[in-house]
Amino acid sequence: DAGVTQSPTHLIKTRGQQVTLRCSPKSGHDTVSWYQQALGQGPQFIFQYYEEEERQRGNFPDRFSGHQFPNYSSELNVNALLLGDSALYLCASSLGAGGDGGFGPGTRLTVL
Amino acid sequence: GNSVTQMEGPVTLSEEAFLTINCTYTATGYPSLFWYVQYPGEGLQLLLKATKADDKGSNKGFEATYRKETTSFHLEKGSVQVSDSAVYFCALSDPVDTGRRALTFGSGTRLQVQP
Repeated sequence: DAGVTQSPTHLIKTRGQQVTLRCSPKSGHDTVSWYQQALGQGPQFIFQYYEEEERQRGNFPDRFSGHQFPNYSSELNVNALLLGDSALYLCASSLGAGGDGGFGPGTRLTVL
Repeated sequence: GNSVTQMEGPVTLSEEAFLTINCTYTATGYPSLFWYVQYPGEGLQLLLKATKADDKGSNKGFEATYRKETTSFHLEKGSVQVSDSAVYFCALSDPVDTGRRALTFGSGTRLQVQP
């Protein structure tokens, strides 16, 4: 039984570009949460999707947006990339809004 | 708002030494408390959790007790192994009945265990 999967593993973009990251939740999970982890820091909550709607949002600008599909998979979109957006982006899934679901391995985004 | 404070690392120990990583939190009500571990090049793994005061979470020899009076959730292990070398994160979320389950993490503590 596959856990949370994310793609791509690594990504390099330049300032001003747009990026889309993808997450497939663990089988049986219906809620997806996204986190940003800067180097040497703890993850910071971006937003959570449940029933295809954004249910909770952290302190991130509108450049960060997301989507959840009927099969519960999710995308994170970041527009107008800044150097400071370079980070590991983690996806977590759970059944319901429970905060202790599993995490994926992350997507490492580098903005040059 | 919610916040988590962890002791700064790195923590360097010899194999079989006793481990304590301190964690204190600020939150209203009774949050759920977690410890996550991140091995090099991997994602986060849930190590243990506690959802109410005086609960003790335990897993793989690690344990932590939810102390409401001191707002703490210190991680302990009686005898560490080289394989325990990783970064440990303390985290909290709002109580289950609030429906708000975003995790707030500390900055992490790197543990290095030497043979």
